[in-house]
Amino acid sequence: DIQMTQSPSSLSASVGDRVTITCRASQGISNYLAWYQQKPGKVPKLLIYAASTLQSGVPSRFSGSGSGTDFTLTISSLQPEDVATYYCQKYNSAPLTFGQGTRLEIK
Amino acid sequence: EVQLVESGGGLVQPGRSLRLSCAASGFTFDDYAMHWVRQAPGKGLEWVSGISWNSGSIGYADSVKGRFTISRDNAKNSLYLQMNSLRAEDTALYYCAKGHRGNTKWERSAFDIWGQGTMVTVSS
Repeated sequence: DIQMTQSPSSLSASVGDRVTITCRASQGISNYLAWYQQKPGKVPKLLIYAASTLQSGVPSRFSGSGSGTDFTLTISSLQPEDVATYYCQKYNSAPLTFGQGTRLEIK
Repeated sequence: EVQLVESGGGLVQPGRSLRLSCAASGFTFDDYAMHWVRQAPGKGLEWVSGISWNSGSIGYADSVKGRFTISRDNAKNSLYLQMNSLRAEDTALYYCAKGHRGNTKWERSAFDIWGQGTMVTVSS
């Protein structure tokens, strides 16, 4: 099975900072990659699918890039409401594996 | 409003069974693949099972294969998960989730709508 590895596992940044989270697949998955945001005690929310397509209603400060094995989620200007755990997920084939998550905090 | 509402969770002894349900509304249910995703307390997300729009194709995580059965009733806009031979490691919040694109294989699904989840606790 293809493994999804996120880095870092956690990070702390200041409001207004540019934040980047990476996700690496153990084999190529084309662009079948999604990103989710899960705020504490809340349901996961789809942010990006097809590696770089912003889900409707998601703020434009979120963006995604990559193809094959290496992907990034970028928040261009960190806001207090972005405190959450972020997950990547592959969906090129079964199993539909998630990364282990990246916890984002405000410094 | 697009909505998924899970039910059926609870406390169950190891080795016993439980059936989860998910009621869908606000979208054309039989256009979309559907899935179950779980999250153990304090842990990450784990995909459990997926089913195509017409139940013609089904998949399971290795951790539940042979013990769990996913099904759907398009006439009732409902998704189900029959869980047998439950283990302590199945303890989790179980989410029902909708595939993000219509008329697409369940294996090619991200999840754009999630329910609030139903908690399953397996303990003696």
